Amino acid sequence: NAGVTQTPKFQVLKTGQSMTLQCAQDMNHEYMSWYRQDPGMGLRLIHYSVGAGITDQGEVPNGYNVSRSTTEDFPLRLLSAAPSQTSVYFCASSYNKGYEQYFGPGTRLTVT
Amino acid sequence: QKEVEQDPGPLSVPEGAIVSLNCTYSNSAFQYFMWYRQYSRKGPELLMYTYSSGNKEDGRFTAQVDKSSKYISLFIRDSQPSDSATYLCAMSAPNDYKLSFGAGTTVTVRA
Repeated sequence: NAGVTQTPKFQVLKTGQSMTLQCAQDMNHEYMSWYRQDPGMGLRLIHYSVGAGITDQGEVPNGYNVSRSTTEDFPLRLLSAAPSQTSVYFCASSYNKGYEQYFGPGTRLTVT
Repeated sequence: QKEVEQDPGPLSVPEGAIVSLNCTYSNSAFQYFMWYRQYSRKGPELLMYTYSSGNKEDGRFTAQVDKSSKYISLFIRDSQPSDSATYLCAMSAPNDYKLSFGAGTTVTVRA
């Protein structure tokens, strides 16, 4: 099993550009989520999904969109990138509600 | 005030020392408590997972939960340079999909 995979590993965007961060898991987990990690802030939940077709907002959802058309994939879309969205983004999945989440390797995003 | 407070350190100890990490929280509904380890430029990985109060031991690692004080701890015995990482506490309430994380404590074990 590859676990949780994320692409790209690194990305530089200009302010106003849009892009999609990809996340996939091959563990048949129902629950998937997106976090951002900033220095001194820990991990903050952006959006999460409890199954295909079901998504909900987390702590910091503004400026991000998600959809979940399959169990395996959970892409995160930045609609109009801002410098405040410079961060490291992690995707995670779990088979048991939110507990014991498995994280991907992360995407380092810089918005100039 | 953050829901989960964790001293960011950094913490530097000699090899073989006991590392003591802790978090406090304000939400009395939290029942599930986790510790994640994150190496530099990697994703977090689950280290320990406990339910409600009490102790749990796994090799050199011991997790403690004191719900009456809203305080959790992680102890690393006989620390090794390979234990150098950031340690994140996380917790959640029953039937809640969301985890609340501490800011993480960066630990360096000196050889």
